[in-house]
Amino acid sequence: DIVMTQSPFSLAVSEGEMVTINCKSSQSLLSSGNQKNYLAWYQQKPGQSPKLLIYYASTRQSGVPDRFIGSGSGTDFTLTISDVQAEDLADYYCLQHYSYPPTFGAGTKLELK
Amino acid sequence: EVQLVESGGGLVQPGRSLKLSCAASGFTFSDYNMAWVRQAPKKGLEWVATISYDGSSTYYRDSVKGRFTISRDNAKSTLYLQMDSLRSEDTATYYCARLGILRVLDYWGQGVMVTVSS
Repeated sequence: DIVMTQSPFSLAVSEGEMVTINCKSSQSLLSSGNQKNYLAWYQQKPGQSPKLLIYYASTRQSGVPDRFIGSGSGTDFTLTISDVQAEDLADYYCLQHYSYPPTFGAGTKLELK
Repeated sequence: EVQLVESGGGLVQPGRSLKLSCAASGFTFSDYNMAWVRQAPKKGLEWVATISYDGSSTYYRDSVKGRFTISRDNAKSTLYLQMDSLRSEDTATYYCARLGILRVLDYWGQGVMVTVSS
């Protein structure tokens, strides 16, 4: 199974700050066929189901604000949230769907400082 | 609007069975692969099983193989998860999710809680 190592476990920020969440996979997630990285990012607010933010490592899902930026390739990926808003306080998860079984990172809790 | 609504959760004793359902609407259900993902209390997300659009292929995580069965009824736009020989470690909120055309879980239901306890 591909292991997803996500860091940090938690992050305390003030509104307006920029934050970075990292995800490292134990194997490359880059498809040689289409040159796409099978890495997605999800946001889960308290009491809610996960919401897809980013797919193919850097493509924003429709309706997701442009302050959410995904980057990286191969085994190292980053989710950057610029100008954090109070509504962004949530848990964030990376997911590899390159091979079965799909595996999630352990999650990052974004809290208010 | 895509909607996925789970039902069938509850409290069950270890070793017993439970069947979850997920009613889909707002899209052509029979065109999409579907999945179940679970989340133990205060824990992270864990993929459980996937079924192909026509039900011909299924995939399971090792810890549920032989105990859980994913199935679907395309005529009813409904996804199922039959859970047998339940264990305490199966206690979680279970989400059904759609696998979009880009092979990513793009829409999720609100989740249903399953508690396995004596």
